[in-house]
Amino acid sequence: DTAVSQTPKYLVTQMGNDKSIKCEQNLGHDTMYWYKQDSKKFLKIMFSYNNKELIINETVPNRFSPKSPDKAHLNLHINSLELGDSAVYFCASSPSGGGGTEAFFGQGTRLTVV
Amino acid sequence: GIQVEQSPPDLILQEGANSTLRCNFSDSVNNLQWFHQNPWGQLINLFYIPSGTKQNGRLSATTVATERYSLLYISSSQTTDSGVYFCAVGIYNQGGKLIFGQGTELSVKP
Repeated sequence: DTAVSQTPKYLVTQMGNDKSIKCEQNLGHDTMYWYKQDSKKFLKIMFSYNNKELIINETVPNRFSPKSPDKAHLNLHINSLELGDSAVYFCASSPSGGGGTEAFFGQGTRLTVV
Repeated sequence: GIQVEQSPPDLILQEGANSTLRCNFSDSVNNLQWFHQNPWGQLINLFYIPSGTKQNGRLSATTVATERYSLLYISSSQTTDSGVYFCAVGIYNQGGKLIFGQGTELSVKP
């Protein structure tokens, strides 16, 4: 059973389009995250949700809007896609948002904007 | 904010060799994890090790929290060990976010 799963795995789209990436975790964790990995493989936090409540928004453009319908799901919607949005997006979860607990990552979604 | 530095940035090994990867961090942490990103892009948890020593097969890790560093040891390396190794740290009351180092890219040659 996959602990943290994201769909789709690959996403190729044109500039200006709107797209969504879905994430689900079956670990019973309270906290979920979105991270972005750039072309140099650097990983950086975008958002953190604890039990459906937004905890962290790391100065991400307003075109990115996370939505958490319940604590097992955290989706990422991106409006008006730009070339610079091309990256690998990782969803993750951890038991709590206080830190000090192990985080687990999904397999990543490679977004290519053309 | 906290800085996380990994060394070396790149490493090429012959199969069977041993190696040590280092992670330095600039502040007290309550979470430290080592990940392996394989050539298919998956981030695989290796160790959750905010302090102390752990071993898992050919891999082991040690974190000396008071001196703000962690080491990942790979013994008898195999070609399947190739990929990027990331260290990531977390700080209490920061929403559980992890701050990643820039990674060590390991290539194991047969």
